[in-house]
Amino acid sequence: GAVVSQHPSRVICKSGTSVKIECRSLDFQATTMFWYRQFPKQSLMLMATSNEGSKATYEQGVEKDKFLINHASLTLSTLTVTSAHPEDSSFYICSARLVPLPQGSSYTTGTTDTQYFGPGTRLTVL
Amino acid sequence: GQNIDQPTEMTATEGAIVQINCTYQTSGFNGLFWYQQHAGEAPTFLSYNVLDGLEEKGRFSSFLSRSKGYSYLLLKELQMKDSASYLCAAQDSNYQLIWGAGTKLIIKP
Repeated sequence: GAVVSQHPSRVICKSGTSVKIECRSLDFQATTMFWYRQFPKQSLMLMATSNEGSKATYEQGVEKDKFLINHASLTLSTLTVTSAHPEDSSFYICSARLVPLPQGSSYTTGTTDTQYFGPGTRLTVL
Repeated sequence: GQNIDQPTEMTATEGAIVQINCTYQTSGFNGLFWYQQHAGEAPTFLSYNVLDGLEEKGRFSSFLSRSKGYSYLLLKELQMKDSASYLCAAQDSNYQLIWGAGTKLIIKP
């Protein structure tokens, strides 16, 4: 299946510092990636949609100046948490959208339009 | 508005069968997904339904009724490792996933 990596898997930082999280699609090109945040015992919360070559679309209540998203290539999106505070401590998960090639292509993924998740990054801000 | 409902928690016995229900309301519909999430880990893809009916994949099956806005995930021959949260997500007309809160499944010996 499609593989998405995320780095780092765990980070502990001091309050006021910035943290960058990378999300890579390893075996497919992803024009769209999504960033989620998940607090303990809660469901996923979509933060923003990252489109290659354009500005990210942020969900209501998510500060775009605090959570900087860059989707510089078809296989890489980054999320930078600027001036992190303890309340930003959370599990950050990215996903990449895999869109199957049209029928008749020389190669088809055999999959549906599906989001595949990275392993997540646990951020702890002291 | 858009909404996904699924039970908060279910308990089942090892070796048994359990059905996790999900109802949805979305602006347009492009499919229904089920994901499994173990504690402390990211979700993993289980199934996708866009047409009515049952899709079987090993011990797991997923059913969809578009007219009723309803889906279920059926897990057979339950194993202890199946203890996890199961997330239902519907894809709207913009291909954005609308997530349920997840169903925590507890498997007892």
